[in-house]
Amino acid sequence: DAKTTQPNSMESNEEEPVHLPCNHSTISGTDYIHWYRQLPSQGPEYVIHGLTSNVNNRMASLAIAEDRKSSTLILHRATLRDAAVYYCILRDVINAGSARQLTFGSGTQLTVLP
Amino acid sequence: GAGVSQSPSNKVTEKGKDVELRCDPISGHTALYWYRQSLGQGLEFLIYFQGNSAPDKSGLPSDRFSAERTGGSVSTLTIQRTQQEDSAVYLCASSSNRGPWETQYFGPGTRLLVL
Repeated sequence: DAKTTQPNSMESNEEEPVHLPCNHSTISGTDYIHWYRQLPSQGPEYVIHGLTSNVNNRMASLAIAEDRKSSTLILHRATLRDAAVYYCILRDVINAGSARQLTFGSGTQLTVLP
Repeated sequence: GAGVSQSPSNKVTEKGKDVELRCDPISGHTALYWYRQSLGQGLEFLIYFQGNSAPDKSGLPSDRFSAERTGGSVSTLTIQRTQQEDSAVYLCASSSNRGPWETQYFGPGTRLLVL
């Protein structure tokens, strides 16, 4: 899978929006952009995914640049519970063959301040 | 519905002992993954099971590590002759493996400490 680059850490105030960036300049046409997050002492959980168009779900929004070389995860109103490590992952499942595992980078540690 | 469960939650063992870690995936999920996360490190893929196909063992760090999946459901990860560097959180995930957007659902992990 292609490489992603994320800031090591970010801070946000509670109830304010948070924009978590991810750069993926070597993304291929068949790479899906996935976001997972890992709350303290828990396993990762799925947040959102997209291919080309912006996506919204109950947890977050995903804004994908027109050239797909970057994306931004948007939490519309951060809560203390959103403090976690956020991982941006590219998955080329179509061409991955039997290699279906997620490849996690170091992610972004989000701190939410009360 | 019930999520992925793992047992035990915590395991402390002595160097050289064998340990078995269990994963109960979400019912009906055909794909099962094992990962591990060492302190301060990212998640590292270990092994992947898909239905009745031969597992992808490419991530296993040594021949002391093995895993099986019985009846296409429960999986056991076995570490023989444990070493201190095996101390980590071992995470299991399952998915329905239905397409390129497949979501993996993770269990809470087993925290293994080798003394």
